[in-house]
Amino acid sequence: DAKTTQPPSMDCAEGRAANLPCNHSTISGNEYVYWYRQIHSQGPQYIIHGLKNNETNEMASLIITEDRKSSTLILPHATLRDTAVYYCIVRAIGYNFNKFYFGSGTKLNVKP
Amino acid sequence: DSGVTQTPKHLITATGQRVTLRCSPRSGDLSVYWYQQSLDQGLQFLIQYYNGEERAKGNILERFSAQQFPDLHSELNLSSLELGDSALYFCASSAPGTPFGADTQYFGPGTRLTVL
Repeated sequence: DAKTTQPPSMDCAEGRAANLPCNHSTISGNEYVYWYRQIHSQGPQYIIHGLKNNETNEMASLIITEDRKSSTLILPHATLRDTAVYYCIVRAIGYNFNKFYFGSGTKLNVKP
Repeated sequence: DSGVTQTPKHLITATGQRVTLRCSPRSGDLSVYWYQQSLDQGLQFLIQYYNGEERAKGNILERFSAQQFPDLHSELNLSSLELGDSALYFCASSAPGTPFGADTQYFGPGTRLTVL
């Protein structure tokens, strides 16, 4: 079962790009990488997900290494409202087989 | 607002008691997931239902049970409550994706349970 490893905290200056790494060295071929964030004790918010290719949406970009053993979430222009705990999740997909592995999360502190 | 609703927002009860947490998924979503978040454990997946049937099980205790009703709302029942059950309980819902399971989960605001 694939697990994830994330740094416990990171700082980022407002307006700069925030690059959040995640290690998932035991990921297998049918497992997706998802990123969520949680602000205070609110419900986690979906950010982005991917399988092999890099992905981009209006919130962020996801860069997955060719061997899929690690990924990086990029917030291109961090704002104070991006201060949150960011979770990297590896998710096995399949009928009747939907396991979830949450990392410990990275507390991103965006500073003015 | 994710479109997922949870009630109640807060719940305070005593050890040994039983409580029911309720979740209404987003309109059209068939899957409901339950999670527990305590201070020392982080977010833990408990159980998933899809269109009324149990689909996946995580670290759910035997004292806990859940079900999804024909109108797709779900309830999480927690019994013989212990102090350690104090936590935030989140519900999430998702629509079927392609391939199966590659679906985005939308989380509700959570229910904060305090067991005294």
